[in-house]
Amino acid sequence: GQQLNQSPQSMFIQEGEDVSMNCTSSSIFNTWLWYKQDPGEGPVLLIALYKAGELTSNGRLTAQFGITRKDSFLNISASIPSDVGIYFCAGQGSSNTGKLIFGQGTTLQVKP
Amino acid sequence: GAGVSQSPSNKVTEKGKDVELRCDPISGHTALYWYRQRLGQGLEFLIYFQGNSAPDKSGLPSDRFSAERTGESVSTLTIQRTQQEDSAVYLCASRPRGAHRYGYTFGSGTRLTVV
Repeated sequence: GQQLNQSPQSMFIQEGEDVSMNCTSSSIFNTWLWYKQDPGEGPVLLIALYKAGELTSNGRLTAQFGITRKDSFLNISASIPSDVGIYFCAGQGSSNTGKLIFGQGTTLQVKP
Repeated sequence: GAGVSQSPSNKVTEKGKDVELRCDPISGHTALYWYRQRLGQGLEFLIYFQGNSAPDKSGLPSDRFSAERTGESVSTLTIQRTQQEDSAVYLCASRPRGAHRYGYTFGSGTRLTVV
């Protein structure tokens, strides 16, 4: 099925470092969402973005909705071991069904 | 319940057998979604239910896949004559009516292995 292009696929960083990941799409989205998935669990919503250009923070997480509405990035500052997991971007188009298109995920590993 | 509940959490089945996966949404959530997550991949939309409206089945990969939901209650996803490529985690999610702009709540999924 249709998917977003998410990069990087994986990252292995030192505790305390900042992390950046992004998503691009050939389609315009009205909503961008960022999720985190821990092993054996379903994805959990981290940040939701609703307007082009919007920059939103949630603690050490910051995400932006690209001006073109075809991309978004997520930054994590001062990473800690519990940030380990898989991060997914997801986009929603104009449909009011709430159906989401997901990226392939970025696997983050943090070395203490 | 407090969250979206899925059962079983793990299922191993022989190729060619039918399987039924169950999802209990959050009480009061009118919308329910099924997604499939293959190993190392993102989530693929399968089907969407909203109350008593006709479901959006556009993501079902073949006619071996079907899902049911009665009203705003439990949903079951059935895969007939399972194939090895059906091996994946099947995730269910629910959200309240009208909150389609917001992320929904996922269950922990059912890991299906077809041998």
